[in-house]
Amino acid sequence: EVQLVQSGAEVKKPGESLKISCKGSGYSFTSYWIGWVRQMPGKGLEWMGIIYPGDSDTRYSPSFQGQVTISVDKSISTAYLQWSSLQASDTAMYYCARGSGGITRIELWGQGTLVTVSS
Amino acid sequence: QSALTQPASVSGSPGQSITISCTGTSSDVGGYNYVSWYQKHPGRAPKLMIYDVSDRPSGVSNRFSGSKSGNTASLTISGLQAEDEADYYCNSYTSSGTPVFGGGTKLTVL
Repeated sequence: EVQLVQSGAEVKKPGESLKISCKGSGYSFTSYWIGWVRQMPGKGLEWMGIIYPGDSDTRYSPSFQGQVTISVDKSISTAYLQWSSLQASDTAMYYCARGSGGITRIELWGQGTLVTVSS
Repeated sequence: QSALTQPASVSGSPGQSITISCTGTSSDVGGYNYVSWYQKHPGRAPKLMIYDVSDRPSGVSNRFSGSKSGNTASLTISGLQAEDEADYYCNSYTSSGTPVFGGGTKLTVL
């Protein structure tokens, strides 16, 4: 089965670091762009950035440049989204998504990882 | 890059048709035929409804259709049904090589 499986919900304190994951299976992981999408409570979808696992070409949306790090480990078909110092405003649902037609459309989504940052 | 502009909400009665607009610039919507639309129900991952402006993935009802004119794309849902009530997001490829979403539109079926 072609799927993206994300790591479980996290509860963290402000200032802590975090790395969440997205494991692809059932397809050639290195041949499709992977993106990360944020949805803050009651708000819309926002692209954070995208990465091509084949060569690790990474592109960040301007609002997220310098705020998060996107990476991949091809050997285990897993993409990551990482923060070095979380803030309360990072509380959100995070989805990973696989691009088709390059990154022109998303036909495959992870189930989402809820990150809660609270003191 | 700024989010694409969508109306915050639209509504319609069962059986009616509605249209959701998505306005961008020549660097995104107007510059590429890579507009896609997603349906999102609370607690669920988004679902692709339209891609490449007007193509429908297998399994999506033909009540959903898309179009584009200049810098504005549109999603039309005909024969509204209760299960169509959801949030809808447009998405476009951009000249920076990354995609951008619209702000989202809440569809209410009256």
